[in-house]
Amino acid sequence: AQTVTQSQPEMSVQEAETVTLSCTYDTSESNYYLFWYKQPPSRQMILVIRQEAYKQQNATENRFSVNFQKAAKSFSLKISDSQLGDTAMYFCALKSFGNEKLTFGTGTRLTIIP
Amino acid sequence: DGGITQSPKYLFRKEGQNVTLSCEQNLNHDAMYWYRQDPGQGLRLIYYSQIVNDFQKGDIAEGYSVSREKKESFPLTVTSAQKNPTAFYLCASSNFTGYDMNTEAFFGQGTRLTVV
Repeated sequence: AQTVTQSQPEMSVQEAETVTLSCTYDTSESNYYLFWYKQPPSRQMILVIRQEAYKQQNATENRFSVNFQKAAKSFSLKISDSQLGDTAMYFCALKSFGNEKLTFGTGTRLTIIP
Repeated sequence: DGGITQSPKYLFRKEGQNVTLSCEQNLNHDAMYWYRQDPGQGLRLIYYSQIVNDFQKGDIAEGYSVSREKKESFPLTVTSAQKNPTAFYLCASSNFTGYDMNTEAFFGQGTRLTVV
């Protein structure tokens, strides 16, 4: 079985500040992908960033970066220079090689305060 | 344009009736998924399919059924056995996992089902 845990139901931060969202996971597989998705009020799911477990280097996409700690099974998302448009639900997700099951966490509601 | 189309956007069902939600993709993806999202909650996996004519139960499959007769289509039926079907339903598709492959899921716009 694979599980994804997000322990921060809600967070808020001032515009232009940096915020970190936490995610831990569990899987018996050695090869897998991790994702962060954003769901704005429109409810459209948008991929923010992905990380291949076999790669040591942390993924980065513009203002978004991850801290991937494989041994600790931790996958946090850092948003730098936060913007009002970053206000959304953020979901962490796990997909293991071979079985294609895509499992999501319960999400963190992030609010950027002007 | 390539993408995933869910229909209808809003659906109303009387208690005791079955209803089918449509999901079509033209991304040539092998894997497809159905998720349920309740207010303020995460995405819970109902069913997923890796290939045509094959599918697996997710974490909350009771009261739901699916079929995968074509690669492009993965309809979800909400049966009368589902005790609390009012929710937002999301369909997704993806490539198979593999080294250096884009395997992220792409999502439809969702269907809001309400039991009246």
